[in-house]
Amino acid sequence: QVQLQESGPGLLKPSQTLSLTCTVSGGSMSSGGYSWNWIRQHPGRGLEWIGNIHHSGSTYYNPSLKSRVTISVDTSKKQFSLSLSAVTAADTAIYFCAREPEMPAAGAFDIWGQGTRVTVSS
Amino acid sequence: DIQMTQSPSSLSASVGDRVTITCRASQGIRNDLGWYQQKPGKAPKRLIYAASGLQSGVPSRFSGSGSGTEFTLTISSLQPEDFATYYCLQYYSYPRTFGQGTKLEIK
Repeated sequence: QVQLQESGPGLLKPSQTLSLTCTVSGGSMSSGGYSWNWIRQHPGRGLEWIGNIHHSGSTYYNPSLKSRVTISVDTSKKQFSLSLSAVTAADTAIYFCAREPEMPAAGAFDIWGQGTRVTVSS
Repeated sequence: DIQMTQSPSSLSASVGDRVTITCRASQGIRNDLGWYQQKPGKAPKRLIYAASGLQSGVPSRFSGSGSGTEFTLTISSLQPEDFATYYCLQYYSYPRTFGQGTKLEIK
C-alpha cells in the first residue's frame, strides 16, 4: 500500500528557507488521479493546509503563506517537496505530507506521512 | 476562505456512550467534508469522507451525516481507543480548511 515519509532538517534559524521532501513508496505518482499536499500543525494547535501540487503540475497555495511557499514534484524520484522562505518562530510546527484524490467523491487526504517536527530558533 | 466551526471543543464521555460532534461551514460545501481522528504524536487518520462514507477499516460505530453547511460525526458506543481529537475538513474549495478540533476525553 502507498506510504508517505517526510524528511528534512528539524532546526532552522529565523530568515532561513525550510526545505522538506515527501517520498512516496508502494505506489506510483506518475499515473495521476491525486494531488500531493503539505499540512502543518503548530504545537498543541489545529491543522493548517499549506498547499498542493497536482499531477498536471498545477499548484494551489494557502493565501496566508502564498508569498513564501513553493511546492514542486519529481515523479521520477517519487518525491514532492515544500520550500518555505523567510521562516520565523511562527513556522515552528509539525509538517505532514498527504495525498488527496482528485475526485471529490473519493474524499481528501486519505494517506498521511507520520509528520516531521520543525523548530525555528536563533 | 470557508470557516469550519466545530462544537463542542472538548467533550468528556464514558465507555459505551453515544457521542455526536457537529461541524458547521460558513457557506455551502455540498457533501465535500471529511472527519479525521488524531491521537497524540500521530498523524490524523481519515474516518469519514464525502460526509457519510466510511473509510475502509474504520469500525462501523463511526458514522457521518449532513450536507450543505451542517455535518455531524457520531460514535455509537465509545470504546477506549476512541479517546482522541477529532477534526472536520472541507475540500469543497481552496484553501482547504479544518475545524478547530474536538478533544474527546474519558469521564
